Amino acid sequence: GQQLNQSPQSMFIQEGEDVSMNCTSSSIFNTWLWYKQEPGEGPVLLIALYKAGELTSNGRLTAQFGITRKDSFLNISASIPSDVGIYFCAGRGYALNFGKGTSLLVTP
Amino acid sequence: DGGITQSPKYLFRKEGQNVTLSCEQNLNHDAMYWYRQDPGQGLRLIYYSQIVNDFQKGDIAEGYSVSREKKESFPLTVTSAQKNPTAFYLCASSPTRTGGEEYFGEGSWLTVV
Repeated sequence: GQQLNQSPQSMFIQEGEDVSMNCTSSSIFNTWLWYKQEPGEGPVLLIALYKAGELTSNGRLTAQFGITRKDSFLNISASIPSDVGIYFCAGRGYALNFGKGTSLLVTP
Repeated sequence: DGGITQSPKYLFRKEGQNVTLSCEQNLNHDAMYWYRQDPGQGLRLIYYSQIVNDFQKGDIAEGYSVSREKKESFPLTVTSAQKNPTAFYLCASSPTRTGGEEYFGEGSWLTVV
């Protein structure tokens, strides 16, 4: 598998701000997934994308499957302190290929 | 409750010893996976199984072994051949053999002392 390029590596923002992160790959994927992981826990699935160009929302989270099928974006609107964690993108080949994660810190 | 259960949560091992991590799911999922996570890194695939009695090596299978004798169980053995076994180990499952969404357990911390 390959390591995906996820950016930014970390973000330190104030409560109420919007957040954007993205993930790129040299390979085409048919599925993109976004996960959130809190310290010492397993990743929790946030959003799944199955179609190029697809835009899907889950509450304050919105993710898009890039039209080239080589990238994906996650936006969090009006961030709150409980959004703190590490966000991972994953593209599916025979198994999931993960980015290194974006660490998000939110101050009240 | 339905889900994926990993045990133990914390495990200490002496160098030279084998250790087995348990993963059980009651979601009736076909496929199961083992990943390793090191600090500041993404997840790397160790082994996966799409069907009972069959499994495939992932990117970092050396020093690990698995079995899939039952649909709901996919234990991982970390052998003494694994040179740097201290890590956070995550088990996942997906509904179909072709993948799609994967759901994770809460992880097991292994420390070699």
